[in-house]
Amino acid sequence: AQTVTQSQPEMSVQEAETVTLSCTYDTSESNYYLFWYKQPPSRQMILVIRQEAYKQQNATENRFSVNFQKAAKSFSLKISDSQLGDTAMYFCAFMTHSFGNEKLTFGTGTRLTIIP
Amino acid sequence: KAGVTQTPRYLIKTRGQQVTLSCSPISGHRSVSWYQQTPGQGLQFLFEYFSETQRNKGNFPGRFSGRQFSNSRSEMNVSTLELGDSALYLCASSQELAIPEQYFGPGTRLTVT
Repeated sequence: AQTVTQSQPEMSVQEAETVTLSCTYDTSESNYYLFWYKQPPSRQMILVIRQEAYKQQNATENRFSVNFQKAAKSFSLKISDSQLGDTAMYFCAFMTHSFGNEKLTFGTGTRLTIIP
Repeated sequence: KAGVTQTPRYLIKTRGQQVTLSCSPISGHRSVSWYQQTPGQGLQFLFEYFSETQRNKGNFPGRFSGRQFSNSRSEMNVSTLELGDSALYLCASSQELAIPEQYFGPGTRLTVT
């Protein structure tokens, strides 16, 4: 079974600063996907970024980028030039790349607050 | 394209009753997954449907069931409700096996009293 661990329950940063959220996972699979989802207060879950395990290049989406260290089973999210709208719960999630097993395993989340 | 829609958004039920939640996926998406979100247990996978077949099931009792229709819409049912079933129930849809991203609906907030 896969597990996902987010060791930072809460974080806060000043607007325009850069913040990094940590995520580690445990799996015996060699081929899988990793995701970061954002859940703003009282709003729905939004996909932020995705990483395929077979790709060495780290994924980037505008101000969001990841540091994927496969050997260390680490998948951190960096948010640059943070904005007030980035305030949300952030969940790291894992999915195996195998037919019939497309379920997400989530971490416990990190509550990120951007301070004006 | 319209996003994933879930109905109802809020629901209050009494212990022992049953409830049915509905999810309409993004047009063209054939896979629908259901998750339960609670403060204590976090986000937990319930089940996943693809082309009207349940392909994967999480570790939940048999009181939790679901189905998918030919138009990919999905329903989940919880029978004999317990206080611990109070949660946000999230539905997510994805396009096909080769495209793993799941897109979530706003959820149904179920309160059991």
